[in-house]
Amino acid sequence: DAKTTQPNSMESNEEEPVHLPCNHSTISGTDYIHWYRQLPSQGPEYVIHGLTSNVNNRMASLAIAEDRKSSTLILHRATLRDAAVYYCILRDPSGGSNYKLTFGKGTLLTVNP
Amino acid sequence: DSGVTQTPKHLITATGQRVTLRCSPRSGDLSVYWYQQSLDQGLQFLIQYYNGEERAKGNILERFSAQQFPDLHSELNLSSLELGDSALYFCASSLTSAESDTQYFGPGTRLTVL
Repeated sequence: DAKTTQPNSMESNEEEPVHLPCNHSTISGTDYIHWYRQLPSQGPEYVIHGLTSNVNNRMASLAIAEDRKSSTLILHRATLRDAAVYYCILRDPSGGSNYKLTFGKGTLLTVNP
Repeated sequence: DSGVTQTPKHLITATGQRVTLRCSPRSGDLSVYWYQQSLDQGLQFLIQYYNGEERAKGNILERFSAQQFPDLHSELNLSSLELGDSALYFCASSLTSAESDTQYFGPGTRLTVL
């Protein structure tokens, strides 16, 4: 499985944008980049995913580098509710063993009031 | 609220015992996944069922087993429990078994083995 690297932790202030980086230098051409997050005492929840182009949804934006070796999850205005562990995961829908989600250690985001 | 329900929320038991964790997937979802989250191993995939049939296995111990019933709910059975089995167990569901499907997670069952 292609591997991802994320910082262990990041800190932000409420109402400010947050950029969460993820490196995936061994990404294959068919790997999608998925982000999930896990709020305290809850199960993981889907945030966003993309392949090549930048993506936006109501929760966040995903910026993907042109060479696809890195990506950034952008929370436009962090709230206290965004404090969570954020996981960057590669999934290849073309088949194989990627039915499962392979979670790394993720980035613990702390949001200060 | 993801629409996935898990019961019980907490479970405390003794070593050597057997427990059953229950999961109801989102309405319409055919695939159910079980994950274990422990402090030292992080979140790990255990097993997947699709429409009643086992589809994939991960790092699931032989003492653990699961099944998915005709109404699509799933149960994870853990037997001969050891202290190291203490963990959070999450169930997730998705529409199909496709790798690209978003997985929706339940709130988890916290198992404590004393």
